[in-house]
Amino acid sequence: DSGVTQTPKHLITATGQRVTLRCSPRSGDLSVYWYQQSLDQGLQFLIQYYNGEERAKGNILERFSAQQFPDLHSELNLSSLELGDSALYFCASSVSGSSYEQYFGPGTRLTVT
Amino acid sequence: GQNIDQPTEMTATEGAIVQINCTYQTSGFNGLFWYQQHAGEAPTFLSYNVLDGLEEKGRFSSFLSRSKGYSYLLLKELQMKDSASYLCAVRDYGQNFVFGPGTRLSVLP
Repeated sequence: DSGVTQTPKHLITATGQRVTLRCSPRSGDLSVYWYQQSLDQGLQFLIQYYNGEERAKGNILERFSAQQFPDLHSELNLSSLELGDSALYFCASSVSGSSYEQYFGPGTRLTVT
Repeated sequence: GQNIDQPTEMTATEGAIVQINCTYQTSGFNGLFWYQQHAGEAPTFLSYNVLDGLEEKGRFSSFLSRSKGYSYLLLKELQMKDSASYLCAVRDYGQNFVFGPGTRLSVLP
């Protein structure tokens, strides 16, 4: 158990819908990262937050957005969902914005039908 | 463009040594990471290299050559539980993480 929690574990929704994935980092960690893992694309970095501020942006679509709240939990919002958005979404946390050791949560499996 | 290459699959025998190679071409270099991922589970951090040379951590070692855009992960005294995918990732100057496709390692008895 990494100490990072993600909810929900599974999510099934229809195309065009909007969902919110939630992540709570390890106690004391200030940085949160979001990743998407699909069979055809592998693991892709989406975005990083550090202490509430956006720190780095990867291959995140405009239909997706994220934020980190004052209590350091983070949410990833996915809208206008498409079949291709079906994937495993991981959240990870680290102590600081430049820490090299990240701790991954168990992931949220999103299925878009 | 950003590109990381790794072998797709490797097979080794329990107790043996295996080397998983990774080559990269990225927009700048700010560190190279290795992760282990068992099927259906989250990745776990194995190692980090930012300077050339070898980093050793128990049965696992990682090597980096920045001039060659090359790294390898060395696993010694292989155990059945080492059967997993191994992901190589580079952090570029934009603090973006670029992951390779992963190498699926099968350890046979």
